[in-house]
Amino acid sequence: EAGVAQSPRYKIIEKRQSVAFWCNPISGHATLYWYQQILGQGPKLLIQFQNNGVVDDSQLPKDRFSAERLKGVDSTLKIQPAKLEDSAVYLCASSSYPNTEAFFGQGTRLTVV
Amino acid sequence: GDSVTQMEGPVTLSEEAFLTINCTYTATGYPSLFWYVQYPGEGLQLLLKATKADDKGSNKGFEATYRKETTSFHLEKGSVQVSDSAVYFCALIPNTGGFKTIFGAGTRLFVKA
Repeated sequence: EAGVAQSPRYKIIEKRQSVAFWCNPISGHATLYWYQQILGQGPKLLIQFQNNGVVDDSQLPKDRFSAERLKGVDSTLKIQPAKLEDSAVYLCASSSYPNTEAFFGQGTRLTVV
Repeated sequence: GDSVTQMEGPVTLSEEAFLTINCTYTATGYPSLFWYVQYPGEGLQLLLKATKADDKGSNKGFEATYRKETTSFHLEKGSVQVSDSAVYFCALIPNTGGFKTIFGAGTRLFVKA
């Protein structure tokens, strides 16, 4: 079974630029998550989708972050404009049901300079 | 709100030593409990889980028992190896309201040969 795929693995941008991350979840998984993991901390949920609907985006900085999940499969997370404090690893995860364990991709390491 | 507290690291052990990483949680009802492991440069991998009180999760020599009376889910391994060096995250999924995974801050483990 293929795992969660994310791209790119690494990205370096200057502050105020924009960036987008892509995620392809495990086939058949209806629930998709984006987490932000700052160095030395645990992952923090940014947004949770159930199929193509948003379940929880309470911690998403909506003035600069946006996410979509078209057709309930792939998802993209965008940051525009980026700030220095956005430097982190962005993890995508999926699960078959909302209350079951999540499976994670390898993450995208973003450095904002 | 729901939360997870882990012992601070780093934890440094010699090979074949006994490992305990403490984890306590705050949640209403009976959440599901998890341990995830993150190797350098990788995403999170599910290590073990327990979904009800007194359940014991186990995998790769690691064990953790769901203790409702002490709201704990401590991770143990009888004999660690150098290859166990990683960051370990305790996590929960509440069984009420939003079903997002909530993570602790992580505990870094170093195992010396």
